[in-house]
Amino acid sequence: DSGVTQTPKHLITATGQRVTLRCSPRSGDLSVYWYQQSLDQGLQFLIQYYNGEERAKGNILERFSAQQFPDLHSELNLSSLELGDSALYFCASSVARAGGPGNTGELFFGEGSRLTVL
Amino acid sequence: EDQVTQSPEALRLQEGESSSLNCSYTVSGLRGLFWYRQDPGKGPEFLFTLYSAGEEKEKERLKATLTKKESFLHITAPKPEDSATYLCAARGSGYSTLTFGKGTMLLVSP
Repeated sequence: DSGVTQTPKHLITATGQRVTLRCSPRSGDLSVYWYQQSLDQGLQFLIQYYNGEERAKGNILERFSAQQFPDLHSELNLSSLELGDSALYFCASSVARAGGPGNTGELFFGEGSRLTVL
Repeated sequence: EDQVTQSPEALRLQEGESSSLNCSYTVSGLRGLFWYRQDPGKGPEFLFTLYSAGEEKEKERLKATLTKKESFLHITAPKPEDSATYLCAARGSGYSTLTFGKGTMLLVSP
């Protein structure tokens, strides 16, 4: 158990709909990362938050957005869903931003949310 | 742009048959090379971090090594429970997150 909690574990929805994925980081971790994993693309970085602020952006579509709340949990919002958005969405956390004190760099991943768009 | 390439894509071994997985990276100012294990339908599980060429780390039947361009994950006398996808990731100087390779799917048969 990594200590990172993601809900829901599975989600089935239709094209055009909107869903929200939730992540609670490990206790004490300030950074939250979202990744998308599909069979052909592997793990793709979407976005990172550190202590409530956006720190880095990867291949995140404009239809997707995220935020980190004062209690450090994070939500990933996916809207106008398309068939190609079907994937596993992982949240990961780390103790601090890269290079910061106490940060050895590794990310700890949750079990993921499997999204199926029909 | 940081790039990480893993080979082979898939590897089938007999129990006890040692082998190595390769991870080639192109990263500006490497600030860490990471290995993860991922079981089907689960999140990646952290194994090792390597920071400088020549560094080695071991855990049970696994040993990770690092050169200036590659990392290897050596599996000695594997068991069926070592079957999983092994992911390699790198962090460069200009980015705070990890760039992942597509993984090597390892199957160890009894």
